[in-house]
Amino acid sequence: EVQLVESGGGLVQPGGSLRLSCAASGFTFNNYEMNWVRQAPGKGLQWVSYISTSGSTINYADSVKGRFTISRDNAKNSLYLQMNSLRAEDTAVYYCAREKYSGDAFDLWGQGTMVTVSS
Amino acid sequence: DIQMTQSPSTLSASVGDRVTITCRASQSISTWLAWCQQKPGKAPKLLIYKASSLENGVPSRFSGSGSGTEFTLTISSLQPDDFATYYCQQYNSYLYTFGQGTKLEIK
Repeated sequence: EVQLVESGGGLVQPGGSLRLSCAASGFTFNNYEMNWVRQAPGKGLQWVSYISTSGSTINYADSVKGRFTISRDNAKNSLYLQMNSLRAEDTAVYYCAREKYSGDAFDLWGQGTMVTVSS
Repeated sequence: DIQMTQSPSTLSASVGDRVTITCRASQSISTWLAWCQQKPGKAPKLLIYKASSLENGVPSRFSGSGSGTEFTLTISSLQPDDFATYYCQQYNSYLYTFGQGTKLEIK
């Protein structure tokens, strides 16, 4: 089955760190560019970060630049998001999402993992 | 960054109605626009890409149009399963942005 499964969410204190993982299966992971998208409770979707197939090109939303790091391990069919210096406003469901083609729409999404930043 | 503005924010309609949602970009994005549907507690689902291309498996009552800065998503005859929130997304540059969403409610 073609799917993405996120893990690693949880409750963390402000200023803390968390690492999210996204396990891909059912398709050739290293052929696809990947993204993280988040959704705060009751709010809309916000794109967070992008990584190219090889990991050589990476982009971030201004709101997370310098605090979050996206990476991938093609041998393990996995995508990661290292989140440091977390703030209350980072509280959200985090989705990993696959690009249909290079620089194209997101055609496959995971089920999401919840990150709560609170003391 | 490119800003995406959807209208309306909420839309009330009945089964069988034809509905249209509009998305405007703050600058030209050619046809690099997608529409997705999200139901409560679920991940988004891609409906339309490249402004007017229907994703595999999506019913033909969904259609998209537009280019440049103005785009529309049309549902030709609303079905009970269509009541959800819809988002447009631009991917003209690698700083992707979403619209704020349109919640489609049952009248």
